[in-house]
Amino acid sequence: NAGVMQNPRHLVRRRGQEARLRCSPMKGHSHVYWYRQLPEEGLKFMVYLQKENIIDESGMPKERFSAEFPKEGPSILRIQQVVRGDSAAYFCASSPRVGSGRHTIYFGEGSWLTVV
Amino acid sequence: AQKITQTQPGMFVQEKEAVTLDCTYDTSDPSYGLFWYKQPSSGEMIFLIYQGSYDQQNATEGRYSLNFQKARKSANLVISASQLGDSAMYFCAMMSPGANSKLTFGKGITLSVRP
Repeated sequence: NAGVMQNPRHLVRRRGQEARLRCSPMKGHSHVYWYRQLPEEGLKFMVYLQKENIIDESGMPKERFSAEFPKEGPSILRIQQVVRGDSAAYFCASSPRVGSGRHTIYFGEGSWLTVV
Repeated sequence: AQKITQTQPGMFVQEKEAVTLDCTYDTSDPSYGLFWYKQPSSGEMIFLIYQGSYDQQNATEGRYSLNFQKARKSANLVISASQLGDSAMYFCAMMSPGANSKLTFGKGITLSVRP
């Protein structure tokens, strides 16, 4: 799972600032997922993207959060005007395909956002 | 809707002994996959084992095995010969291929291995 690269690993932002989290999927993977882990909780799905397309954003907060996966470059999770409740670990995962029960999803090491 | 339940309090096991971590699930999908992940204190999510709903045999990966009881909707993780490095949070998760393959996670179980 070391193949999914996330940066920064740790990010501190003041309330009202913007946070940008980046994710490069494993080589050959074109499906990217973002999950959020609040303290003492399991991971919660946020958004699923393929290159240049948002496929499922049912877990994304309606405001301040956005995600993209451009044709070139990493996937970006952007949080505008951060608040203390945004403090969490944000995990990116990638997969080679969907629709198969046997494939495995690989996670990055996570990005820890702290809002002060 | 899918749901994963992990209700055990913090678990303790003596080094070299086996331990079972419980997971029950709920879904109306006929086809699904069950995963276990380990999250050590360093924070990364490490894939341990996968079980497909139509797999005839219980999955095994080294010291990890999955006790899959489909009728009871349970997918317990068994760790044999526990090691100190097994101390971590363990998460059970479910995926339905038809749901864009997104994972639904339980709240996790803390395992501490005693020397």
